[in-house]
Amino acid sequence: DSGVTQTPKHLITATGQRVTLRCSPRSGDLSVYWYQQSLDQGLQFLIQYYNGEERAKGNILERFSAQQFPDLHSELNLSSLELGDSALYFCASSPDSTYYGYTFGSGTRLTVV
Amino acid sequence: AQSVTQLGSHVSVSEGALVLLRCNYSSSVPPYLFWYVQYPNQGLQLLLKYTTGATLVKGINGFEAEFKKSETSFHLTKPSAHMSDAAEYFCAVSTSGNTPLVFGKGTRLSVIA
Repeated sequence: DSGVTQTPKHLITATGQRVTLRCSPRSGDLSVYWYQQSLDQGLQFLIQYYNGEERAKGNILERFSAQQFPDLHSELNLSSLELGDSALYFCASSPDSTYYGYTFGSGTRLTVV
Repeated sequence: AQSVTQLGSHVSVSEGALVLLRCNYSSSVPPYLFWYVQYPNQGLQLLLKYTTGATLVKGINGFEAEFKKSETSFHLTKPSAHMSDAAEYFCAVSTSGNTPLVFGKGTRLSVIA
């Protein structure tokens, strides 16, 4: 157990639907990062939050959004889902900066049918 | 912008043989460099990191890597492969404490008995 909790582990949904992925960071970590892992694109950085504020944005589609709550857990919202959104979505956390490296959760596997 | 190239999407070695996984990075400033391992159906686990100081860094499970600035490389090695080393390995780079990690495409390591 890495200390980073992601729910659900698996999600199957239809095109056009909306889903919410949840992440609880390791105790004491203030930064949360979301990554998408697919066979063709590899690990793509989506977005980072630090202590409730958005800190960095990567290749995140406009149909996707995220937030970090006062208790530091984070949610990634994916809407108007397409077949191509099927992927593994990872959450990672770190105390503050990248210097310490990240602790990853076990991921949410999203399948859009 | 920083980037990472991992040479060889698949490497196969015999049990007991040397493991060498190659990583080259592109960065305009001194980088932070990381190696992660991903076992099937699991999240990524930090193997080792280089931030400052000694250029030869040792990690978990007998792995080590050497930062070579002149070659912009951070290759991962292990003297003797074990069956349990079979996994996907990712090299990652960050240019400062505040920029998110950029990952390579990964190298799948197979260990043959």
